[in-house]
Amino acid sequence: EVQLVESGGGLVQPGGSRRLSCAASGFTFRSYWMVWVRQVPGNGLVWVSRINGDGSITAYADSVKGRFTISRDNAKNSLYLEMNSLRDEDTALYYCARVISYGIWGYFDYWGQGTLVTVSS
Amino acid sequence: EIVLTQSPGTLSLSPGERATLSCRASQSVSSTYLAWVQQKLGQAPRLLIYGASSRATGIPDRFSGSGSGTDFTLTISRLESEDFAVYYCQHYGTSWTFGQGTKVEIK
Repeated sequence: EVQLVESGGGLVQPGGSRRLSCAASGFTFRSYWMVWVRQVPGNGLVWVSRINGDGSITAYADSVKGRFTISRDNAKNSLYLEMNSLRDEDTALYYCARVISYGIWGYFDYWGQGTLVTVSS
Repeated sequence: EIVLTQSPGTLSLSPGERATLSCRASQSVSSTYLAWVQQKLGQAPRLLIYGASSRATGIPDRFSGSGSGTDFTLTISRLESEDFAVYYCQHYGTSWTFGQGTKVEIK
């Protein structure tokens, strides 16, 4: 059974940093692109970042470029999101999801439960 | 960037009724790259439909997707209690964008 479990959320001050983790199980982790998607409570879904199977290709939404870094450790079946220079508008529920690839994009077939990041002083 | 507009914002229906949800793209998109996602309150999103009309693993056949070009539809043939949720369409061909969602609520 495919499982994705996020952790690392919490309260952080504006300008601060936070590292999110996503533990994957039930599939060959290194074979899949992975993404982070966020959702402001009560609002819609927004793609944040993606990474390919071996970690050599990454991409970011403009809103987080230069502040967030996605990475993965295939030996630990784990995905990460390092978030720096956090802003109020980064407050959201952060999901990791597995990508079924179509070219460099694709749909998300499994999602984690999410971890909440609150940026506030 | 392709913008997806969903309608209606809220659909109030009774169990057993048919639900028809619309997703309109700002420009023509390949049906290969259109998905529908369900999100229940407090739960993770769940893939329902990909490629505009293919059901994901384990999705009951009361859910169906159709459409092409700029107009796509998710139909739930007979609503069951567990189907009351928010539904998002998603484009995944040239970027990843989501519609703003349609809430299906109990009338």
